[in-house]
Amino acid sequence: DAGVTQSPTHLIKTRGQQVTLRCSPKSGHDTVSWYQQALGQGPQFIFQYYEEEERQRGNFPDRFSGHQFPNYSSELNVNALLLGDSALYLCASSLRGLNEQYFGPGTRLTVT
Amino acid sequence: DQQVKQNSPSLSVQEGRISILNCDYTNSMFDYFLWYKKYPAEGPTFLISISSIKDKNEDGRFTVFLNKSAKHLSLHIVPSQPGDSAVYFCAASATTSGSARQLTFGSGTQLTVLP
Repeated sequence: DAGVTQSPTHLIKTRGQQVTLRCSPKSGHDTVSWYQQALGQGPQFIFQYYEEEERQRGNFPDRFSGHQFPNYSSELNVNALLLGDSALYLCASSLRGLNEQYFGPGTRLTVT
Repeated sequence: DQQVKQNSPSLSVQEGRISILNCDYTNSMFDYFLWYKKYPAEGPTFLISISSIKDKNEDGRFTVFLNKSAKHLSLHIVPSQPGDSAVYFCAASATTSGSARQLTFGSGTQLTVLP
């Protein structure tokens, strides 16, 4: 049973560029959430998708956007990258309405 | 404003002894709590959870206690094993309209179990 997968593992981008991160949920899960984890901090909620729509959003600017596909996989897009966007980006999947979320290994984004 | 706080950045415990990790929260709307364990270069792994209608939940060596009046929860690991060495995160969720569930995390506690 495949768990949550994310790609790429690592990414280096320059300020002002755009980036797309990808996530495939655990088999049987229909909900995907994205989190940003800065060094030494806990994950911070970006947004959650189910039924291909953004259902809840954390305190992140509109530069952060996402998409969910009919097969429940998801993308996180970040435009106009800032140095402060450097972080570990975690995808988590769950069943709609349940609190237990299962995380992927993350994508380490470095903005130079 | 940190709504979930883990005030101890680190904890060292001898193998075989009890590990107690603490977490405090400020948002009265939180009604579900979870603990995650994270090894370096991996995503957080779900350990155990508790609903606000309970005050204790047990799963093997892991027990979570919830004190709603004090807005405090703790994770007990008995007996502690070297493989338990990891960063432990406390997380909380509030039931809102609709089915969306956002987790709010603490900053984590690094547990080191000494052989």
